[in-house]
Amino acid sequence: SAVISQKPSRDICQRGTSLTIQCQVDSQVTMMFWYRQQPGQSLTLIATANQGSEATYESGFVIDKFPISRPNLTFSTLTVSNMSPEDSSIYLCSGGTGRAGELFFGEGSRLTVL
Amino acid sequence: GENVEQHPSTLSVQEGDSAVIKCTYSDSASNYFPWYKQELGKRPQLIIDIRSNVGEKKDQRIAVTLNKTAKHFSLHITETQPEDSAVYFCAASLGYSTLTFGKGTMLLVSP
Repeated sequence: SAVISQKPSRDICQRGTSLTIQCQVDSQVTMMFWYRQQPGQSLTLIATANQGSEATYESGFVIDKFPISRPNLTFSTLTVSNMSPEDSSIYLCSGGTGRAGELFFGEGSRLTVL
Repeated sequence: GENVEQHPSTLSVQEGDSAVIKCTYSDSASNYFPWYKQELGKRPQLIIDIRSNVGEKKDQRIAVTLNKTAKHFSLHITETQPEDSAVYFCAASLGYSTLTFGKGTMLLVSP
């Protein structure tokens, strides 16, 4: 399986501020994704992180709120902008190894917005 | 787009019993069906997957079956143990496309 590391593991943030989550993957990973998991809920795809170009966002998620970068093959960031309590969630970085469909997850970043 | 339904939402069994979790999908073109286990506070872990060219796959105490005609697939856990207690998610995708997850099943195995 792929090795996926993300940080911070958790943070408590004030309303109106922004937080950037970093994700580092090993060289097996070719595709990178960001998911959100609200408490007790399933995993919802935010966007596909594309190397060197704009991310591909899913319905309900926009670049102004969740800007994503992927400057190289093994690194990506997700920023949660102008946070509100509704953004309190676990944000998960994930990576695919190229074998069709297989996806591995980082440990997640648990955000609490006060 | 793809829609994945998962049942039951909660499943309680006694240690040693079998557990079955079922999922249905909507897009007949989907061809990859993984199952993830998520322990409390941990990342989702891929435990088994099946592709549309096979009907069943087994790995020790866990197995997955796929019925393409009916568009459903199931996870079977035999001889359950307390450490099997977790939330299990099914998912579906088409080739290299993104995964669509079910809502999850909380499995509780009592000693």
